Amino acid sequence: GENVEQHPSTLSVQEGDSAVIKCTYSDSASNYFPWYKQELGKGPQLIIDIRSNVGEKKDQRIAVTLNKTAKHFSLHITETQPEDSAVYFCAASKTGKLIFGQGTELSVKP
Amino acid sequence: NAGVTQTPKFQVLKTGQSMTLQCAQDMNHEYMSWYRQDPGMGLRLIHYSVGAGITDQGEVPNGYNVSRSTTEDFPLRLLSAAPSQTSVYFCASSYATSGDIGPQYFGPGTRLLVL
Repeated sequence: GENVEQHPSTLSVQEGDSAVIKCTYSDSASNYFPWYKQELGKGPQLIIDIRSNVGEKKDQRIAVTLNKTAKHFSLHITETQPEDSAVYFCAASKTGKLIFGQGTELSVKP
Repeated sequence: NAGVTQTPKFQVLKTGQSMTLQCAQDMNHEYMSWYRQDPGMGLRLIHYSVGAGITDQGEVPNGYNVSRSTTEDFPLRLLSAAPSQTSVYFCASSYATSGDIGPQYFGPGTRLLVL
């Protein structure tokens, strides 16, 4: 079955810097790759997603890139702010089975 | 819209007891799923459903049962609780088109402690 590896597990940046989180997946048939943000005590919330027919997608300070050949995708956050501090999860899906990475705890220091 | 609702918010069980975690959504989503979240292990898929009457196993289905009699509800049953099932449980829903799912909407979670 699908396996998703996420790195790093923790990431600390200064406010205003960029943050990059990387994920690899094992099943080349996976075709949907969402990213979620989870704040303490809450359920995960979608921040951006990409499908396998697109290489890059951007939404304001957040972007996701997908390399199907290498089977990896990345989340890029520019101009980080303290409110970006949270746990971020990547995921990969094929025919309805959505598998998550282990999560990255991002800390943005003012 | 209430979105995805889960009850109870918190539950304590003794080993061997049974219980049902409730999940409901009012967005007419075809796809619903259950995850458990443990420290350092992310979210692991327990069971999922692509429509009423259809369920399938995820990564960690053992010890859990599900059924989907309506589009709105997707209860998760623990038949005989074990301490290893202590976790936070999240229900999620999304649209589904030709086997492809959309963005997942998560509920607030149920914290379960099994003694």
